Amino acid sequence: ILNVEQSPQSLHVQEGDSTNFTCSFPSSNFYALHWYRWETAKSPEALFVMTLNGDEKKKGRISATLNTKEGYSYLYIKGSQPEDSATYLCAPTSGTYKYIFGTGTRLKVLA
Amino acid sequence: AAGVIQSPRHLIKEKRETATLKCYPIPRHDTVYWYQQGPGQDPQFLISFYEKMQSDKGSIPDRFSAQQFSDYHSELNMSSLELGDSALYFCASSFRTSGYTGELFFGEGSRLTVL
Repeated sequence: ILNVEQSPQSLHVQEGDSTNFTCSFPSSNFYALHWYRWETAKSPEALFVMTLNGDEKKKGRISATLNTKEGYSYLYIKGSQPEDSATYLCAPTSGTYKYIFGTGTRLKVLA
Repeated sequence: AAGVIQSPRHLIKEKRETATLKCYPIPRHDTVYWYQQGPGQDPQFLISFYEKMQSDKGSIPDRFSAQQFSDYHSELNMSSLELGDSALYFCASSFRTSGYTGELFFGEGSRLTVL
């Protein structure tokens, strides 16, 4: 079972600020890492699926990078908007199909 | 587009009763996952199925059982319910053949309240 840590646990930023947070995982037996966005009262929604060291993915103002050798992924949000307020979860998998979610980073963007 | 369908959306049971939750994956998805999210907690992996066979097992209590049927829908059976079983139960499905890059698609969850 992978030990997944996300930091910070919660984050408040002003509208327009850029922000980033981290997902750390054991670098051994890594196969893929998923990022999910979970808004209150909704179900989690996939943002990115990353597999290769050095991968960088982008969707609008949100991007993510992956370092499998040192076991971390960064999620960046540029120019945060109130609608970005959500919990961002990462889920690495070691090769089984048991995706273990991190504790999440709860982002609140203040208007 | 069809999404993951869970039923019932809300369920209220008494202690020691039994509850069954159902999950209908996205058509052609061959893998189903069950997660439990307690109040103020992160989603905890319970169990997963691939092609109707149990694939991985997480922190699923012995009082719970699950299976995936020939039409790929899955049911989570919970017996001898306890107050601590009150939670939001999410089902997710994915297409395994695409390998580990198969993203999970989540249903809207079934909220179980045990009184």
